[in-house]
Amino acid sequence: EAQVTQNPRYLITVTGKKLTVTCSQNMNHEYMSWYRQDPGLGLRQIYYSMNVEVTDKGDVPEGYKVSRKEKRNFPLILESPSPNQTSLYFCASSLLGGTSGSQYFGPGTRLTVL
Amino acid sequence: GQQLNQSPQSMFIQEGEDVSMNCTSSSIFNTWLWYKQDPGEGPVLLIALYKAGELTSNGRLTAQFGITRKDSFLNISASIPSDVGIYFCAGQSGAGSYQLTFGKGTKLSVIP
Repeated sequence: EAQVTQNPRYLITVTGKKLTVTCSQNMNHEYMSWYRQDPGLGLRQIYYSMNVEVTDKGDVPEGYKVSRKEKRNFPLILESPSPNQTSLYFCASSLLGGTSGSQYFGPGTRLTVL
Repeated sequence: GQQLNQSPQSMFIQEGEDVSMNCTSSSIFNTWLWYKQDPGEGPVLLIALYKAGELTSNGRLTAQFGITRKDSFLNISASIPSDVGIYFCAGQSGAGSYQLTFGKGTKLSVIP
């Protein structure tokens, strides 16, 4: 089954404790992206990647890091989480070129930073 | 950055009624997408539009890509309880950019 998976689905942590949220897709998509969703603000892009070893900042990259060592994986790293990073996070992927606007989303990771 | 204005923010409708929501932008987009998000889930793509003026249907859903490329609408006919959720529009400007700009969503409630 074609899908985007994220782990963990739920995470409660404390300020300053480094964490990684994993994202994996099995559709051989070149493009992958991370979003955060907050009430009243909708979905905002954090980082994206057009291919292996190619990453770029989205609209709200501060406090986050990403890496793209393999095509299928795109982990989101919070080196020193803070309470304002409490949010619902989504990973998405799509093909490049053609009907590339059709991004497919993972199920989400709800992060709480105390 | 680019912004999308999506309206209405929320709707309460009776089962069986038709629903209409729209998105407008001050910028031109080359792709318009409509997603639905159920509680606790990620957005699921409903309809993708790639040409100005394009009208596309997916079951009871119909979406159109505005001729000016600055707007799009989504209609749901004969609503049913499982239509409940948050609907998002998203635009992609193209020209080598694959970033999506999202509207803030329309929360739909269907009264049985």
